[in-house]
Amino acid sequence: DTEVTQTPKHLVMGMTNKKSLKCEQHMGHRAMYWYKQKAKKPPELMFVYSYEKLSINESVPSRFSPECPNSSLLNLHLHALQPEDSALYLCASSQEGHPSYEQYFGPGTRLTVT
Amino acid sequence: AQTVTQSQPEMSVQEAETVTLSCTYDTSESDYYLFWYKQPPSRQMILVIRQEAYKQQNATENRFSVNFQKAAKSFSLKISDSQLGDAAMYFCAYISGGSNYKLTFGKGTLLTVNP
Repeated sequence: DTEVTQTPKHLVMGMTNKKSLKCEQHMGHRAMYWYKQKAKKPPELMFVYSYEKLSINESVPSRFSPECPNSSLLNLHLHALQPEDSALYLCASSQEGHPSYEQYFGPGTRLTVT
Repeated sequence: AQTVTQSQPEMSVQEAETVTLSCTYDTSESDYYLFWYKQPPSRQMILVIRQEAYKQQNATENRFSVNFQKAAKSFSLKISDSQLGDAAMYFCAYISGGSNYKLTFGKGTLLTVNP
């Protein structure tokens, strides 16, 4: 199974809402990532978890709060977002231990902030 | 800081023909890895091919091959016998061989395949 799943596929939320994005993988990968991708742009790294610990935070605003409850799950909690946060949010995972390992991407959650 | 440049925002190719996508990168490191990722419209990003910097031999995966010129810091992707399913955004990406999981992506090349 080489699949990363993400739910929901689409999310529309107001600026005062609280919502969460979910990502799951069952490949035994111990590194998991959140990316933000605007239309026709490359993905921008937000967070990296390694062995369920946050190892990279790319100076992301605190209205985005990641959580890694176990080695298979990655959440992104959203609160008080701005319209410019509307984007495709991609989750990825890879084997831990070496940067040459392929990152497997999920299909993404398309977020619209109104 | 490392940078990745894809100078062709858009390319097109006729079905069954060959096309080459360009990528250059800038780094002072000697240990690194290069990747081409493909992102079809509304579909998942998948790895097409990878190249280890220490390997002189160019990587090949079926119809996909790279021309890796380490001294020139160039990493182009050749797609042979292009198929309609090859239409996608292609991203060139770099990662340091150190303990770092940050992929640096180029801006992408949108490939159209004409029947």
